[in-house]
Amino acid sequence: DADVTQTPRNRITKTGKRIMLECSQTKGHDRMYWYRQDPGLGLRLIYYSFDVKDINKGEISDGYSVSRQAQAKFSLSLESAIPNQTALYFCATSDLPLAENYNEQFFGPGTRLTVL
Amino acid sequence: QKEVEQDPGPLSVPEGAIVSLNCTYSNSAFQYFMWYRQYSRKGPELLMYTYSSGNKEDGRFTAQVDKSSKYISLFIRDSQPSDSATYLCAMSAENFGNEKLTFGTGTRLTIIP
Repeated sequence: DADVTQTPRNRITKTGKRIMLECSQTKGHDRMYWYRQDPGLGLRLIYYSFDVKDINKGEISDGYSVSRQAQAKFSLSLESAIPNQTALYFCATSDLPLAENYNEQFFGPGTRLTVL
Repeated sequence: QKEVEQDPGPLSVPEGAIVSLNCTYSNSAFQYFMWYRQYSRKGPELLMYTYSSGNKEDGRFTAQVDKSSKYISLFIRDSQPSDSATYLCAMSAENFGNEKLTFGTGTRLTIIP
């Protein structure tokens, strides 16, 4: 079974609709992240969470909100979807940094979202 | 100007060739340098990690960091069709504890059998 799962894997919606993307992990990690990936722009951080009570904005949080329901679950919402939010969305997790202050991020398979 | 620049390619090379992938960056605070590999329709996965300057080798893969030039490289020796993927460089500053990674745009690589 995959360690980081995302649902749905594909979604087509219309402008103005509310959309929720869900992420679950079985790795036991405290830290979770949401990224979007666009051609020519790479991966950009939307929100990240260090634990259930800690939520932080990333580089491009406008138009998005998140909810950390439990250590294992981190959801991303688009309150009113717009076409330029069409992208590939990835959830990632990481453990506490090692002694060298480094941690590896583990990515889910992604959700392809199209906003018409 | 982006903090991290990476040639998007695409790059096509014959099987067995040596592949060189590169990124440049502008933030002198970056201390952690990573290469992620992303297969089509999959999430990125960590391939190599280097702290500060120097080289690191893992099998057919070698990562190099030249902080004086703000330039990092990934070399793939004896390239195989299974190496066909998009390669993303990523980096972060030490004081952020790596929770905020800055990614390059990725280079799409195809190894031709």
